[in-house]
Amino acid sequence: GQQLNQSPQSMFIQEGEDVSMNCTSSSIFNTWLWYKQDPGEGPVLLIALYKAGELTSNGRLTAQFGITRKDSFLNISASIPSDVGIYFCAGQIQGAQKLVFGQGTRLTINP
Amino acid sequence: EPEVTQTPSHQVTQMGQEVILRCVPISNHLYFYWYRQILGQKVEFLVSFYNNEISEKSEIFDDQFSVERPDGSNFTLKIRSTKLEDSAMYFCASSREGGTEAFFGQGTRLTVV
Repeated sequence: GQQLNQSPQSMFIQEGEDVSMNCTSSSIFNTWLWYKQDPGEGPVLLIALYKAGELTSNGRLTAQFGITRKDSFLNISASIPSDVGIYFCAGQIQGAQKLVFGQGTRLTINP
Repeated sequence: EPEVTQTPSHQVTQMGQEVILRCVPISNHLYFYWYRQILGQKVEFLVSFYNNEISEKSEIFDDQFSVERPDGSNFTLKIRSTKLEDSAMYFCASSREGGTEAFFGQGTRLTVV
C-alpha cells in the first residue's frame, strides 16, 4: 500500500527559528494535506494542496506540492511557542477517499 | 465555525464488550470517515462512508467493525467484541467532497481492559 515517509521525526529549536519538514513517497498523490495535532486532540488542518508545483501559504506556514507529485514540504517561519505539537502530512491518491498519513514530526520549541 | 463533534471523549470497556462511538459530522459534508491512532503512532484509515454506504475500507476494518448513519446527523462506529489491541484514539472526520480536505473531531479515547 501507499506509504509516506516524513522527516525529521523530531525537532528541537529555539523560538524565532524557521522550521522545515517534508514527506516523500514512492507513490503519486493527487492531494497533499498538512495537519497539526496537539496532545489529546484531533488533527487540525493547516494547508491543503491540489496541484503539482503548488505553493500555498497560511500565515507563517508555507507548503509546496512537489512537481513529481511524490513529495511535499512544510515550512514554518519565525516559530513561536504555540507552534509546539506534532505535524502530519497526509496524501490522497486519485480516486480514493482515504488519507494516508506520515509518521509525524514532533516540534519542540525552547523559549 | 462548524466542527466535527465526537462523544464520548473517553470510553473504558471490558474486553469482549460492544462499544459504539458517536460522531456528528459537519452539516453540509457528504463524506464521513473513521480513523484510529494507537498511542504514539500515526493516524490510520479505517473506513469511509458516502451516500449511506461504505465506499472504502482498510484491512483493519474487519467483521468486528460496522458503521451506521442512523439519522440525518449522527455517524457511528460499532466494535462488536472489543480486544485489548482496539485501545486507541478514534477520530471521526468529514469532507464536503471525496478527495478534498477532511476535518477531524477531537477523538474518543477507547481503553479496553
